[in-house]
Amino acid sequence: GDSVTQMEGPVTLSEEAFLTINCTYTATGYPSLFWYVQYPGEGLQLLLKATKADDKGSNKGFEATYRKETTSFHLEKGSVQVSDSAVYFCALMNYGGSQGNLIFGKGTKLSVKP
Amino acid sequence: DAGVIQSPRHEVTEMGQEVTLRCKPISGHDYLFWYRQTMMRGLELLIYFNNNVPIDDSGMPEDRFSAKMPNASFSTLKIQPSEPRDSAVYFCASINGGGLGTEAFFGQGTRLTVV
Repeated sequence: GDSVTQMEGPVTLSEEAFLTINCTYTATGYPSLFWYVQYPGEGLQLLLKATKADDKGSNKGFEATYRKETTSFHLEKGSVQVSDSAVYFCALMNYGGSQGNLIFGKGTKLSVKP
Repeated sequence: DAGVIQSPRHEVTEMGQEVTLRCKPISGHDYLFWYRQTMMRGLELLIYFNNNVPIDDSGMPEDRFSAKMPNASFSTLKIQPSEPRDSAVYFCASINGGGLGTEAFFGQGTRLTVV
């Protein structure tokens, strides 16, 4: 079945450091890919998305590029802030064999220190 | 719209009791998902509905778990009997499944503690 694998956390960085959180997927069909963010005590909210190969999603300084050849969608930010501390989830939604199936990775907790 | 609404926000119950979690999706959304979040297993998809019909319940852990969606504006997740290992945060999410890349909207979750 479809699956998402993302790097284990937690990740601890100093403010203004470069961030990469790796994400790879396995899916039949042609999934859309997402990054969601969860702040403490809240539900998940969409950070960015990409719907086809080579698309780049971006929002709030975060970026991720849909790489079909490596089945990856790594999240990057050039300079993190304390306010970026949260849990980040990579996800896919498949419009192929398992239409409508929204699958998440296990999440990566990011802590940014001043 | 007020977003996806879940109730209760917190539930503490004794082992063996029945627990019912509730979700009101965003009006007009045709997909509804139930997830369970724990530290050990992350965010697990339990079941999802399309137009009130269960499509995939392969994530439901065992027969103690059941979910219904009697109409487009309401869904329940029931655990009977509950066990301590069911303690987790349960999330409901809805999508307007009209196209690629459609955003899922999450409720704030129900934190369930079974003692």
